[in-house]
Amino acid sequence: QLQLQESGPGLVKPSETLSLTCTVSGGSISSSSYYWGWIRQPPGKGLEWIGSIYYSGSTYYNPSLKSRVTISVDTSKNQFSLKLSSVTAADTAVYYCARLNLLRIQLWFDYWGQGTLVTVSS
Amino acid sequence: SYVLTQPPSVSVAPGKTARITCGGNNIGSKSVHWYQQKPGQAPVLVIYYDSDRPSGIPERFSGSNSGNTATLTISRVEAGDEADYYCQVWDSSIVVFGGGTKLTVL
Repeated sequence: QLQLQESGPGLVKPSETLSLTCTVSGGSISSSSYYWGWIRQPPGKGLEWIGSIYYSGSTYYNPSLKSRVTISVDTSKNQFSLKLSSVTAADTAVYYCARLNLLRIQLWFDYWGQGTLVTVSS
Repeated sequence: SYVLTQPPSVSVAPGKTARITCGGNNIGSKSVHWYQQKPGQAPVLVIYYDSDRPSGIPERFSGSNSGNTATLTISRVEAGDEADYYCQVWDSSIVVFGGGTKLTVL
């Protein structure tokens, strides 16, 4: 059974960089059939896609966050990571990592991590 | 950018049928995917490719997509179906989520 687990600091200071890692177990991150992505959800609000990455390193980003986001992959560790720079209180959210199924040029999220709350505060 | 519009809330009595809509410009030409999210939990995929169900999802969950509206239909609604539901598309290399609909079981 595929499992994804987010890890990283739960508290980040304003203007600093938020860094999270997603560890994938029960399957290979190097499969050609999947992308891997980050989604966030501010308290009491809806889902917001941050970006996605293929095992080769090819990325797609949400245009509204693109200038501050970097997603990378480490196939040797079966992990992918998120960096979000210059954070503000508006970046406080539960951050999820997830697998995207790729079929016929369509992508959807079929496995999700449990999510991790990141609070931006001094 | 592409916008998906969902009603904020839908209410239904147990045993009845709930329909949650997702509106978008010519959404019928795209593939729509649906997620269920219960409080404090990660979202769960309930419908992909407009109308396909992942294994483990009850047959009570179905989907359709035509014109400017995609619909998630939940038949014989149970108390355990109370949750937030989100639609999602992949458009121009961007993932787009709808704003979400809170399903209340009366």
